[in-house]
Amino acid sequence: KNQVEQSPQSLIILEGKNCTLQCNYTVSPFSNLRWYKQDTGRGPVSLTIMTFSENTKSNGRYTATLDADTKQSSLHITASQLSDSASYICVVRAMTTDSWGKLQFGAGTQVVVTP
Amino acid sequence: KAGVTQTPRYLIKTRGQQVTLSCSPISGHRSVSWYQQTPGQGLQFLFEYFSETQRNKGNFPGRFSGRQFSNSRSEMNVSTLELGDSALYLCASSPEGSGRDTQYFGPGTRLTVL
Repeated sequence: KNQVEQSPQSLIILEGKNCTLQCNYTVSPFSNLRWYKQDTGRGPVSLTIMTFSENTKSNGRYTATLDADTKQSSLHITASQLSDSASYICVVRAMTTDSWGKLQFGAGTQVVVTP
Repeated sequence: KAGVTQTPRYLIKTRGQQVTLSCSPISGHRSVSWYQQTPGQGLQFLFEYFSETQRNKGNFPGRFSGRQFSNSRSEMNVSTLELGDSALYLCASSPEGSGRDTQYFGPGTRLTVL
């Protein structure tokens, strides 16, 4: 079973509207959680990173929240733009290793912003 | 600074052939990781190299191999290609590959196996 579950799988929203993506994880012990944005045909780009003690982090119109107690994170997109159309991937890192090999990736949420 | 570059961007091969993909990390980065991305499986870790040594390996068969050169450039090789190897192969680099390092991804190589 995947240790990082994202929902919804896909989402269509109107330009200018807000939306929230969810990420639930079981990775333990927890080190940090990142949200990546991946445009079609490109590699993922990091949006935010949060550690155990951080519960909110913003990057422009993107705001990520983290509840380490319930092991849930969300990514909120405010006033969506056409350029927000992309896949958003939640990635959780375990505390016990320095290697990238122990990163756990969610399957991603595909967001489509329509005019 | 130039970003992570991958070559080639697109590749079409037939079953049974072998392929070599190349990745040039951001200057100064010593950690290079490789991932396979498919629509059904998402991103899956292949292996990581740090200072020319493989530091970790994912759960892929031995047909998948890699190496890193002294200038941190890395290559990934897949032998005896299968249809299921069709995927986007992403390379990512980071300074040390640990802690709060950010991984910077390249644009990927789209491999199609016919």
